[in-house]
Amino acid sequence: NAGVTQTPKFQVLKTGQSMTLQCAQDMNHNSMYWYRQDPGMGLRLIYYSASEGTTDKGEVPNGYNVSRLNKREFSLRLESAAPSQTSVYFCASSEALTYQHFGDGTRLSIL
Amino acid sequence: QKEVEQDPGPLSVPEGAIVSLNCTYSNSAFQYFMWYRQYSRKGPELLMYTYSSGNKEDGRFTAQVDKSSKYISLFIRDSQPSDSATYLCAMTGGGNNRLAFGKGNQVVVIP
Repeated sequence: NAGVTQTPKFQVLKTGQSMTLQCAQDMNHNSMYWYRQDPGMGLRLIYYSASEGTTDKGEVPNGYNVSRLNKREFSLRLESAAPSQTSVYFCASSEALTYQHFGDGTRLSIL
Repeated sequence: QKEVEQDPGPLSVPEGAIVSLNCTYSNSAFQYFMWYRQYSRKGPELLMYTYSSGNKEDGRFTAQVDKSSKYISLFIRDSQPSDSATYLCAMTGGGNNRLAFGKGNQVVVIP
């Protein structure tokens, strides 16, 4: 009964390093999302995938890329990490017109 | 003006008190309204989900939606220390299923 699984849970990077955050869901949902959560800013959408094979920019896409690998998996890549990308990253999934299910997040610190 | 406004100020209440939280919004297309609960170092989990105007009750929790005033509320009766968490409102008009989130309210229930 895993739901949405995110790996890794914690990561520390140096400025300029690259990294891929992984997300997988086992609910057969069509839509998947990546958010970042920062103090005082709430949840902000980075990218989303309405269905397998499609991706679209959200509110704060700069500095990130995504890949919808298949229906289950949606990854987020930081090509050249910057301190401003220090945050907690959440992946979510949903079916149309229903609520989103969230993973427990990846805590990323960039020095 | 942000689509969803939620006063992020922390709220401390004694055990057994009624907790009242609210959000206002500007987009009249919103039809689906949610409240999420987020414990420290965890992802948001759905607490209440309502469609259009009206009230919905689930145990000690009541969600109210007033579309004419663009105002939603969450009430927690007989609050318990286990209710200590951050509560986020969210809403969508359907379509691409993107959610608009409030910034969240931190609630602390003091034994």
